[in-house]
Amino acid sequence: LAKTTQPISMDSYEGQEVNITCSHNNIATNDYITWYQQFPSQGPRFIIQGYKTKVTNEVASLFIPADRKSSTLSLPRVSLSDTAVYYCPGTKGGSYIPTFGRGTSLIVHP
Amino acid sequence: SQTIHQWPATLVQPVGSPLSLECTVEGTSNPNLYWYRQAAGRGLQLLFYSVGIGQISSEVPQNLSASRPQDRQFILSSKKLLLSDSGFYLCAWSVAQGTEAFFGQGTRLTVV
Repeated sequence: LAKTTQPISMDSYEGQEVNITCSHNNIATNDYITWYQQFPSQGPRFIIQGYKTKVTNEVASLFIPADRKSSTLSLPRVSLSDTAVYYCPGTKGGSYIPTFGRGTSLIVHP
Repeated sequence: SQTIHQWPATLVQPVGSPLSLECTVEGTSNPNLYWYRQAAGRGLQLLFYSVGIGQISSEVPQNLSASRPQDRQFILSSKKLLLSDSGFYLCAWSVAQGTEAFFGQGTRLTVV
């Protein structure tokens, strides 16, 4: 079982960059690192994934150091609509079986 | 394209009554299937997962059971609901060797 650890909550203001870090202390060699976003009363949705170094898409950037023991989700210039819970799930077993914790509750203030 | 259907969206059930939540996936074959529960103010807890028809793995001892009668159908059941079974139930699927899970819209269950 590859567990992850992330902060319970974060606060930010509109227009700021937000960085959320996740620890992947016992990540498996073949595991990708994925991040999800969840709004109230909805299922989580995938936002970005990577294996190592940096990945960027239209929503976020993901930074993964060479040892892959951590990852940082970066949200540029957040808006109120980025208020959500962000998860970096671990995995279990040989197949991709995502195990989520409490995630990081991000609140963006005006 | 692949889609996941989960119903009902909301459910209010009395204590001691049975439960059946159904989830179906379209557009893919032999997916991994998952049931999660999110209690108020809590994280997303993995309840059951299945890597094939008739193969169910239970993560947490509880009042619930799961079945996979068909390749793309996953059912969550209970014979007698408890108050503590209230929560937001989410079904999800992934490709067996994939790196991304896709979630349904969830069922808000309130046991009264």
